[in-house]
Amino acid sequence: AQTVTQSQPEMSVQEAETVTLSCTYDTSESDYYLFWYKQPPSRQMILVIRQEAYKQQNATENRFSVNFQKAAKSFSLKISDSQLGDAAMYFCAYRGRFTGNMLTFGGGTRLMVKP
Amino acid sequence: DTEVTQTPKHLVMGMTNKKSLKCEQHMGHRAMYWYKQKAKKPPELMFVYSYEKLSINESVPSRFSPECPNSSLLNLHLHALQPEDSALYLCASSQDSGGDNEQFFGPGTRLTVL
Repeated sequence: AQTVTQSQPEMSVQEAETVTLSCTYDTSESDYYLFWYKQPPSRQMILVIRQEAYKQQNATENRFSVNFQKAAKSFSLKISDSQLGDAAMYFCAYRGRFTGNMLTFGGGTRLMVKP
Repeated sequence: DTEVTQTPKHLVMGMTNKKSLKCEQHMGHRAMYWYKQKAKKPPELMFVYSYEKLSINESVPSRFSPECPNSSLLNLHLHALQPEDSALYLCASSQDSGGDNEQFFGPGTRLTVL
């Protein structure tokens, strides 16, 4: 079975600074997808960024980028120029390419942004 | 329309009540999901519907009964719940059951069982 681990229950960052959230996973599959989801307080969970395991290039979406290390099974999220609106729970998630619909979530990291 | 809607936003029910949660999407998605989320925890998958057929039931107690009347609607019928069932219930949808298909989440129904 796949597992996803987020070792930082809470992180804080100063506005305009950069922060990195960690995620490691364990799988025996060779082809899969990795996601970072953001869940602001009392608001909808939204997809921040996704990475396909067969792509070596790290995904980037504006201020959000990932550092995907397949051999190390590591998938960290870097948020640059942090904004107050980035404050949220962030969940790392795994989904096997051929193992159906199931997302396996990590335990989450609560990010606080200080003005 | 890239939205998943859920009603009601909040629900308080007694252990003997029967109630239903409703989820709707108009993105033409053929896979729909129910998740349960406790405070400060990740979502836990409960059920998956694929092309209106139940494809995954994660050993959920029978007091939770899902229903998919059509490709746009997903219901979760609740009966004889326990206080520990109090949680945020999230609905999600995706284009189909493929691995890279993004799941779009609704805002959730916050359920309190007294």
